[in-house]
Amino acid sequence: GEDVEQSLFLSVREGDSSVINCTYTDSSSTYLYWYKQEPGAGLQLLTYIFSNMDMKQDQRLTVLLNKKDKHLSLRIADTQTGDSAIYFCAERPTSGTYKYIFGTGTRLKVLA
Amino acid sequence: NAGVTQTPKFQVLKTGQSMTLQCAQDMNHNSMYWYRQDPGMGLRLIYYSASEGTTDKGEVPNGYNVSRLNKREFSLRLESAAPSQTSVYFCASRADRPYGYTFGSGTRLTVV
Repeated sequence: GEDVEQSLFLSVREGDSSVINCTYTDSSSTYLYWYKQEPGAGLQLLTYIFSNMDMKQDQRLTVLLNKKDKHLSLRIADTQTGDSAIYFCAERPTSGTYKYIFGTGTRLKVLA
Repeated sequence: NAGVTQTPKFQVLKTGQSMTLQCAQDMNHNSMYWYRQDPGMGLRLIYYSASEGTTDKGEVPNGYNVSRLNKREFSLRLESAAPSQTSVYFCASRADRPYGYTFGSGTRLTVV
């Protein structure tokens, strides 16, 4: 099917690391993305990874890509209360490159 | 600030009324999109415009029409609103590589 799957909720304590997981559909997707949505706002592009990479680090964010298992993860180091939001993964499939597929989002709650 | 501007931010319609959601981007992006976001369903593509002068249906186009007025503007029209169209609507535009979206802040529409 064409579902990008994410767990619905994640709760972590401030200062801990968060890991948000995603399983995507198209093993030949060229780009995969992570977006953040704060309450009442639109989605904001956080980071992306190109399919020929296994890992990408951007300050507190680390993206890991396992193409064999079609698994994408986002690790947030030293999680802060400001990181509380919904996180969406998305893929740019090779078929229909204008029709990105978004996951249903993972709601991250950071406990002080 | 450069970005995607949506108007209005909130709207309440009665069943059968019509309205147009406006969207404009100032980043010189070629492609633009309309999504709706419903609880537990993630983002669903309504229509998109790959370039000025073209529009195509997405996943859930029924009950909607669009106009790509020029490169900057892409509007979404509800001809006869139904309660099932109660949702949050997001407009987005897409950059060239790495092809990430920039989203507007959304229109919260309630049809009663």
